[in-house]
Amino acid sequence: KAGVTQTPRYLIKTRGQQVTLSCSPISGHRSVSWYQQTPGQGLQFLFEYFSETQRNKGNFPGRFSGRQFSNSRSEMNVSTLELGDSALYLCASSPLGYNEQFFGPGTRLTVL
Amino acid sequence: SQQGEEDPQALSIQEGENATMNCSYKTSINNLQWYRQNSGRGLVHLILIRSNEREKHSGRLRVTLDTSKKSSSLLITASRAADTASYFCATATTGYSTLTFGKGTMLLVSP
Repeated sequence: KAGVTQTPRYLIKTRGQQVTLSCSPISGHRSVSWYQQTPGQGLQFLFEYFSETQRNKGNFPGRFSGRQFSNSRSEMNVSTLELGDSALYLCASSPLGYNEQFFGPGTRLTVL
Repeated sequence: SQQGEEDPQALSIQEGENATMNCSYKTSINNLQWYRQNSGRGLVHLILIRSNEREKHSGRLRVTLDTSKKSSSLLITASRAADTASYFCATATTGYSTLTFGKGTMLLVSP
């Protein structure tokens, strides 16, 4: 089976812009979670989608949003980018949302 | 917010030696997982231990869990240079997907 894929792998944006990141889970996995990783805050949970519904949400401002499509692919959007949004954004999938998470390689976002 | 705190923050050993990393957490958990991350890439799941288990093995990995002390340890035996990576513990408070990660231990294994 193909692993979790994320596009794009690298992205450079300027403050105030918006960005959309994409994640394709492992075939058959219905749960997709997003995490932000920064040197200062470490790995932080953003949100989780299961069967197109947001099931869990982390403590991030409303500028961070996401969605999941009927084929389980997911996108996350960050509007009005700030310098502090520079991070590695990781997507993870799992069959039903339990236990082991399978992570993608991440999208490295740099905000200038 | 971080649930787990790994100790030490960094560990440097020689090939063939054992590496032990510890993780402490704050709240009750359903399970605790360990992940490895190679230099800014995605995380790889290593092992999961449930709250009613005390010890688990997988190849060269041994994980222990002490729920009374809210702590876990990961032992890598006979380390190899390829084990060089950051290791994170993550806790799940329920059976669902939300994982709370610690800040990780950077392991350097020198040939």
